[in-house]
Amino acid sequence: DAGVTQSPTHLIKTRGQHVTLRCSPISGHKSVSWYQQVLGQGPQFIFQYYEKEERGRGNFPDRFSARQFPNYSSELNVNALLLGDSALYLCASSPGTGKAEKLFFGSGTQLSVL
Amino acid sequence: DAKTTQPPSMDCAEGRAANLPCNHSTISGNEYVYWYRQIHSQGPQYIIHGLKNNETNEMASLIITEDRKSSTLILPHATLRDTAVYYCIVVRVTIGGTSYGKLTFGQGTILTVHP
Repeated sequence: DAGVTQSPTHLIKTRGQHVTLRCSPISGHKSVSWYQQVLGQGPQFIFQYYEKEERGRGNFPDRFSARQFPNYSSELNVNALLLGDSALYLCASSPGTGKAEKLFFGSGTQLSVL
Repeated sequence: DAKTTQPPSMDCAEGRAANLPCNHSTISGNEYVYWYRQIHSQGPQYIIHGLKNNETNEMASLIITEDRKSSTLILPHATLRDTAVYYCIVVRVTIGGTSYGKLTFGQGTILTVHP
């Protein structure tokens, strides 16, 4: 079975632009989470979606938004890009039905803002 | 969620056991201990998790102290491919909730396995 897939793998944008990152969870997984990882730091939680509803949001500005589609894939949108948004953006999925589950992470999208 | 404390870095010789400690002295009764690792330029990878009993799987063993205030991840025979950042994370799991989707990563321990 395919793991969590993210696209694109690399992206270069300029300040002020917007970006859309995409994630396809493992088949059968209904929960998708997004993380931002700045160089040298651990990943930081941005959003979690379960059954197409937002179930959690980290401490990120409103420029960051996300949604989950009926097939459980997800998009992360970032508007008005800043230099500080340069990071590795990770998507993780889990079945969403268990009490204590493990997250499966994709390889991430490396975003560079110039 | 409870905060964790890990040493910033550790070394281990190839073929020897790697013992990675984690302190989580403020852990609550409904919080699990999870371990993930991240190899350079890849997404984090789940290793193991436990509540209060020791756990073992094909990757590692997790030893949790009786008072649950600390734990140790054991890689029994470390290889060069085990060089990575290891994260110890405490997760509060609620009945019917999806709190496991939100992980609070710290700085982790950089484990370097030497030939």
